[in-house]
Amino acid sequence: GAGVSQTPSNKVTEKGKYVELRCDPISGHTALYWYRQSLGQGPEFLIYFQGTGAADDSGLPNDRFFAVRPEGSVSTLKIQRTERGDSAVYLCASSLKLGTGELFFGEGSRLTVL
Amino acid sequence: RKEVEQDPGPFNVPEGATVAFNCTYSNSASQSFFWYRQDCRKEPKLLMSVYSSGNEDGRFTAQLNRVSQYISLLIRDSKLSDSATYLCVVDNQAGTALIFGKGTTLSVSS
Repeated sequence: GAGVSQTPSNKVTEKGKYVELRCDPISGHTALYWYRQSLGQGPEFLIYFQGTGAADDSGLPNDRFFAVRPEGSVSTLKIQRTERGDSAVYLCASSLKLGTGELFFGEGSRLTVL
Repeated sequence: RKEVEQDPGPFNVPEGATVAFNCTYSNSASQSFFWYRQDCRKEPKLLMSVYSSGNEDGRFTAQLNRVSQYISLLIRDSKLSDSATYLCVVDNQAGTALIFGKGTTLSVSS
């Protein structure tokens, strides 16, 4: 399809494990965002990429979280030493340009840390 | 103070009712404002942008007051299909991201 694709759609892991979540944005969209959404909350900004570089990573909660976008398209969010509090839906979004305009979200990756 | 604050609701209204949602934001430098809609267990989708002069899209009217840092969304003639969570969204100080409110849940019943 032409939309934002995220895999896996569901991930269950044990506390302390390492997790990778993948996002494939809409073709041609240079801006890519990661958000995290917990139950009953709005999406919480994590990191923004313009091309290959992380232009704003101020939302990453701590150094266990890291994201890459090596070729300016697909991005991977990496979470080390997962904790139960990391359980949430991780949403990826892309847009044609920085900051303004419409964000197109993927369906999200639901992470459950036991 | 949170960057974007909304009354979480829920708002329970009958079909045909008019309902209004309010939102306040803390960053006076924000330049872009939006309402997004999120259906249960789905991803958020853009409902409409919000302009300083106010704007309308069918049954939906959005207004912005930059002085009081207040945004509103009015839905007229509510439909069952309007049942969803409505997210108030504002750009951050750097203009590099959109900051979402907690959302206001609307339930329209027949």
